[in-house]
Amino acid sequence: EIVLTQSPGTLSLSPGERAALSCRASQSVSSNYLAWYQQRPGQAPRLLMYGASIRATGIPDRFSGGGSGTDFTLTINRLEPEDFAVFYCQLYGPSPPFTFGQGTKLEI
Amino acid sequence: EVQLVQSGPEMKKPGESLRISCKGFGYSFTDYWIGWVRQMPGKGLEWMGIVDPGDSETRYNPSFQGQVTISADKSINTAYLQWGSLRASDTAMYYCARHRHPRVRGGTDSFEIWGQGTVVTVSS
Repeated sequence: EIVLTQSPGTLSLSPGERAALSCRASQSVSSNYLAWYQQRPGQAPRLLMYGASIRATGIPDRFSGGGSGTDFTLTINRLEPEDFAVFYCQLYGPSPPFTFGQGTKLEI
Repeated sequence: EVQLVQSGPEMKKPGESLRISCKGFGYSFTDYWIGWVRQMPGKGLEWMGIVDPGDSETRYNPSFQGQVTISADKSINTAYLQWGSLRASDTAMYYCARHRHPRVRGGTDSFEIWGQGTVVTVSS
């Protein structure tokens, strides 16, 4: 089973700043199968990115994703107050289990 | 509007059985895999498994296989997650979620549409 490790565990920033969240896989994976989600308190997760770098419907272009092999990054430019939440990466291929990382909390 | 609507909160005793549901609206139910994700109190997301409502093919996380059953009834656009014998450690929020793309071979896709979650509490 491939393990995803996210870092940092908690990231403290201010509105207007730039956030860089890391997701590292225990072995090389295809970027075709890497997704990012945002979960605000008391809400269901929301898909941000899939295929490592493709924004989901309605996601502003302040969000961008990239990476390959074992290292992937979610970048959020010009942080808005509503961006502060917990973020998860997920590997959804080529075979189950389609695991999530443990999450990064982005706090003000 | 495309949405998944889950059944309400459940409070059960250890050893009891349970089935929770997830009904799809606003899209062709048989075209998209549906999955279940567990979130224990204060913890992260865990992928449990998925079902193809078109032919009821399932794929499980080995950590959950044998502990739960995932199924779907396409005649009523509803997916299910069920337990034969609950344990206190099953206490969690359970989300259903729909894949982003239709008819993905092998179910390898991200989750775009999420239900509101069902809280399951197991306590004596």
